[in-house]
Amino acid sequence: DTGVSQDPRHKITKRGQNVTFRCDPISEHNRLYWYRQTLGQGPEFLTYFQNEAQLEKSRLLSDRFSAERPKGSFSTLEIQRTEQGDSAMYLCASSRTSGGGPDTQYFGPGTRLTVL
Amino acid sequence: AQSVTQLGSHVSVSEGALVLLRCNYSSSVPPYLFWYVQYPNQGLQLLLKYTSAATLVKGINGFEAEFKKSETSFHLTKPSAHMSDAAEYFCAVTPGGKLIFGQGTELSVKP
Repeated sequence: DTGVSQDPRHKITKRGQNVTFRCDPISEHNRLYWYRQTLGQGPEFLTYFQNEAQLEKSRLLSDRFSAERPKGSFSTLEIQRTEQGDSAMYLCASSRTSGGGPDTQYFGPGTRLTVL
Repeated sequence: AQSVTQLGSHVSVSEGALVLLRCNYSSSVPPYLFWYVQYPNQGLQLLLKYTSAATLVKGINGFEAEFKKSETSFHLTKPSAHMSDAAEYFCAVTPGGKLIFGQGTELSVKP
């Protein structure tokens, strides 16, 4: 396993610009999750996919946020018209569903977004 | 709704001392619980998870946690702290799918 990878690792943008992040999960992991983490807080769930299907979205995911996983492999998270409050670390995780018990989610290194 | 509460945002111990990080959960059903560690500028790494198979769960790097239903707790312990244990630790619960994290506890280890 090469692990979960995220690109870019850092992004600085101006308020009002659109940004897109990419996540490549561990191969053969059918679930992919997005979380947001602000300084001094635990990660907050945004959304997750099982294969191509987006199964759950948090109320945190406003209409400026959209996520896709078109072929059930990599995923993108787009933020339109960024605001300073969007500044955070965006974490991606992946897992493989098992017959019983909870999946183990493996996290990528994150993309740190700074909105000026 | 399920939730976890971590008591103490910052814990400081001396090298070689016992590490105790506290986590209490709220759940109307038997929970699945996790501890993750996050080193600076890195993603989260799983330390251990409770899936009801055994109440005492052993994880990586010498950590373990005990599930106590009567106390709704899942505290993380390590008998002897090492400098490399300095990091942020997160307790989490899952209702299935997503993880719900606590606020985190930053562990400092003094030489």
